[in-house]
Amino acid sequence: GQQVMQIPQYQHVQEGEDFTTYCNSSTTLSNIQWYKQRPGGHPVFLIQLVKSGEVKKQKRLTFQFGEAKKNSSLHITATQTTDVGTYFCAGTAAGGTSYGKLTFGQGTILTVHP
Amino acid sequence: DAMVIQNPRYQVTQFGKPVTLSCSQTLNHNVMYWYQQKSSQAPKLLFHYYDKDFNNEADTPDNFQSRRPNTSFCFLDIRSPGLGDAAMYLCATSRVRGLDEQFFGPGTRLTVL
Repeated sequence: GQQVMQIPQYQHVQEGEDFTTYCNSSTTLSNIQWYKQRPGGHPVFLIQLVKSGEVKKQKRLTFQFGEAKKNSSLHITATQTTDVGTYFCAGTAAGGTSYGKLTFGQGTILTVHP
Repeated sequence: DAMVIQNPRYQVTQFGKPVTLSCSQTLNHNVMYWYQQKSSQAPKLLFHYYDKDFNNEADTPDNFQSRRPNTSFCFLDIRSPGLGDAAMYLCATSRVRGLDEQFFGPGTRLTVL
């Protein structure tokens, strides 16, 4: 079945440093979504990418979808303590009979030291 | 304004004692999902309803059942909880399946003694 791999599993940064998490799918994706889960909280939708090579920005966050629609990345510029949490990518396999099921990556746990 | 509500937020049960978790939504979304999330892991989809159509994941144990009596409510029944079922259970909704964001509830933390 479809697998979505996400690296790194953990990332510790000093406040002000940049952060990137990478997501790779074993199959071509229709779309990829990114969620943030604060410690003790629930996943909150950040963004969805649909087009090959798409790049979207939200303030200090930059999201990319690969040309082959099998990988994606989230980059945070100048991290702040409010960025702390687990970042999940989640993709929907293209075609097939998956009815649009989201498959989550394992997540990257971001810690920001002030 | 709460959009996806889960009750209770914390549930303690005994090994083998049935438990029901509830989820309600004010978004009028067609799709409702139940996920299991264990510590430091990704949410794992158990099943979902597309309107009244129930869709079970192949690897969801028979111990887990679900009911959706109407658009707003969905229940997760664990018939005989084992120690391995201790987890956070997340309910989520979306307007449609696939290319649509999912709205998650705050979750129910289940402890099995």
